[in-house]
Amino acid sequence: EAGVAQSPRYKIIEKRQSVAFWCNPISGHATLYWYQQILGQGPKLLIQFQNNGVVDDSQLPKDRFSAERLKGVDSTLKIQPAKLEDSAVYLCASSLGTGTLGQPQHFGDGTRLSIL
Amino acid sequence: KQEVTQIPAALSVPEGENLVLNCSFTDSAIYNLQWFRQDPGKGLTSLLLIQSSQREQTSGRLNASLDKSSGRSTLYIAASQPGDSATYLCAVRSDNYGQNFVFGPGTRLSVLP
Repeated sequence: EAGVAQSPRYKIIEKRQSVAFWCNPISGHATLYWYQQILGQGPKLLIQFQNNGVVDDSQLPKDRFSAERLKGVDSTLKIQPAKLEDSAVYLCASSLGTGTLGQPQHFGDGTRLSIL
Repeated sequence: KQEVTQIPAALSVPEGENLVLNCSFTDSAIYNLQWFRQDPGKGLTSLLLIQSSQREQTSGRLNASLDKSSGRSTLYIAASQPGDSATYLCAVRSDNYGQNFVFGPGTRLSVLP
């Protein structure tokens, strides 16, 4: 089966600019996650979707970050305006079904964001 | 708040050695624990998922154990190979804290030929 697809793979922008990332989960996966991974650390959950509804966005900096999952499939994550501390790898993951607590997460290769 | 730590932060071993990676978590009320591998510039690849009712899981040369009461999991790699060189992360899904995964910082493994 095709894996989780993310684009772009790399992005370099200046601070205060805006940027968007795209994720296409594995076909049929109802749950989608966005993580932020700062160099040398484990991923930190930003937002979780169940189909097209938000389940948890408690760690999403809502003053600058936004995410949507239209039609319960693809998702976009946006940062506006970007700060230096947003430099990180942004990972998208998906898991199967609505009762997904027992299901493994499958990750894309991520988007590496550098803020100048 | 669930906190996950991994020791050691980095490990270098000669090819062929058996090795153990450690993961500790502060809240034992977990739903499951997942071990991942991350290669440089890549996303995470799932290795093993242990449900809270299980004691261990095995896949090929990998064996993961779980001791909920002591807040520990170990990943055992038998007969290590240079291709095993990567960062290994554990992630804990808690019954509390929104039931989302909390990741450890990872152990960077180098297997020398």
